[in-house]
Amino acid sequence: SQTIHQWPATLVQPVGSPLSLECTVEGTSNPNLYWYRQAAGRGLQLLFYSVGIGQISSEVPQNLSASRPQDRQFILSSKKLLLSDSGFYLCAWSVGKTQYFGPGTRLLVL
Amino acid sequence: DQQVKQNSPSLSVQEGRISILNCDYTNSMFDYFLWYKKYPAEGPTFLISISSIKDKNEDGRFTVFLNKSAKHLSLHIVPSQPGDSAVYFCAASGNTDKLIFGTGTRLQVFP
Repeated sequence: SQTIHQWPATLVQPVGSPLSLECTVEGTSNPNLYWYRQAAGRGLQLLFYSVGIGQISSEVPQNLSASRPQDRQFILSSKKLLLSDSGFYLCAWSVGKTQYFGPGTRLLVL
Repeated sequence: DQQVKQNSPSLSVQEGRISILNCDYTNSMFDYFLWYKKYPAEGPTFLISISSIKDKNEDGRFTVFLNKSAKHLSLHIVPSQPGDSAVYFCAASGNTDKLIFGTGTRLQVFP
C-alpha cells in the first residue's frame, strides 16, 4: 500500500531564516506530487505541483520554491522566511485525479 | 474568483441524524469532484468522489450527489456519528489533475 511521509511535523523559525520541508512517497511509481498551504481558517491553496523528476510548476508567485530530486521525493524550500509564510503545509500525491495527503507540517515564523 | 464554494462555514447535527454538506462550483469544465475530511493538525483524508457522468455515488454511510445543471454537489452522511466531527472540503478538477478546493465546512455531531 502507498504511504506518504512529511517532516518535520512542527517547525518554529525566525524571520529571514531558510526553510526545507521534505515529503516522500512509498509504494507507487511516478506519482504527481503537490505542495499545499492551509492558512488559519482558510482552504487549501496549491503552491507547486510536479509530474516528474525535475519538473515543477508554480501556482502562486511567492517566497517559496520546490524541487523534485527523486521520483518519490518532493522538497519545499525558502531562502528567507517571511511572517506570512506561517501556515500548515501539506504534501500530496496522485496517480489519476484523486490526491492523497500527508500528515502536514505546521510552520510558525516569528 | 473562487471556483469552488462552500457557503456554510459550520454545521451542527445530532448523532444518528443526517448531515448534509453542500458545495457549489462555477466552472462548467469541472468533471470530477471529491470530498475530503480533515481533523485539526492532520492532512485531509479522501472520503468519496464522483465523476460528472454520474449523479450519485454511495460508499457506506457516505453518499455524494451531483447536480450538473445547478453546478452543485452535496455530501450526505447517514447516520451521523460523533467521530464524523471534522472539517469537510469539497474539491473539483477538470482537464488536469489539479484540484480546486472549497474553504471547508466544520461539522459538529453532538449526542
